[in-house]
Amino acid sequence: AQSVAQPEDQVNVAEGNPLTVKCTYSVSGNPYLFWYVQYPNRGLQFLLKYITGDNLVKGSYGFEAEFNKSQTSFHLKKPSALVSDSALYFCAVRDWKSNYQLIWGAGTKLIIKP
Amino acid sequence: DAGVIQSPRHEVTEMGQEVTLRCKPISGHDYLFWYRQTMMRGLELLIYFNNNVPIDDSGMPEDRFSAKMPNASFSTLKIQPSEPRDSAVYFCASSLGRELPYEQYFGPGTRLTVT
Repeated sequence: AQSVAQPEDQVNVAEGNPLTVKCTYSVSGNPYLFWYVQYPNRGLQFLLKYITGDNLVKGSYGFEAEFNKSQTSFHLKKPSALVSDSALYFCAVRDWKSNYQLIWGAGTKLIIKP
Repeated sequence: DAGVIQSPRHEVTEMGQEVTLRCKPISGHDYLFWYRQTMMRGLELLIYFNNNVPIDDSGMPEDRFSAKMPNASFSTLKIQPSEPRDSAVYFCASSLGRELPYEQYFGPGTRLTVT
């Protein structure tokens, strides 16, 4: 079965420190992977995607994600966290059965403390 | 482009009343998705359309829920009659299905409270 897992409900990081939000996936076929961010009382915003090519993908707001095929992971990273990065982060993978749906992770709440 | 537009942003209604949520997708996008988000269940896909045709409504919780897309620039999600457990944030999203990578663009959501 196709699935996405975000093993941490919440991640706490001090401002200025590097951050990682974890995501693992299980799909048939080539994975198309996405990260979205949701700020309070807002809709989800696209951050970055992996389709093919370079395993390190750069996205908006200084975020990047590393695709690791052997570990079936797509962890979101940022070298230096800002308080404004505090939000809910969702990992998603394209559902090959339905062709255009996304399978969503449960979300990880990221809290950056000053 | 103004992005995906949803109205109203907030809706408070009494149990038993009909509720209609509206969505205008990004111009040119041929896929439209309706999601519901709650603390307990997270983000759930309710239904999605391709070229105004409903493709998969398996996520619609009950017959009280219905969705239409009469044209490429407008969709509605209707709940009749509404119940307190329908309280949630409802999101509409659209995407361009003809080209990779099929990323979805979300509206700001409608926060529904049923008392």
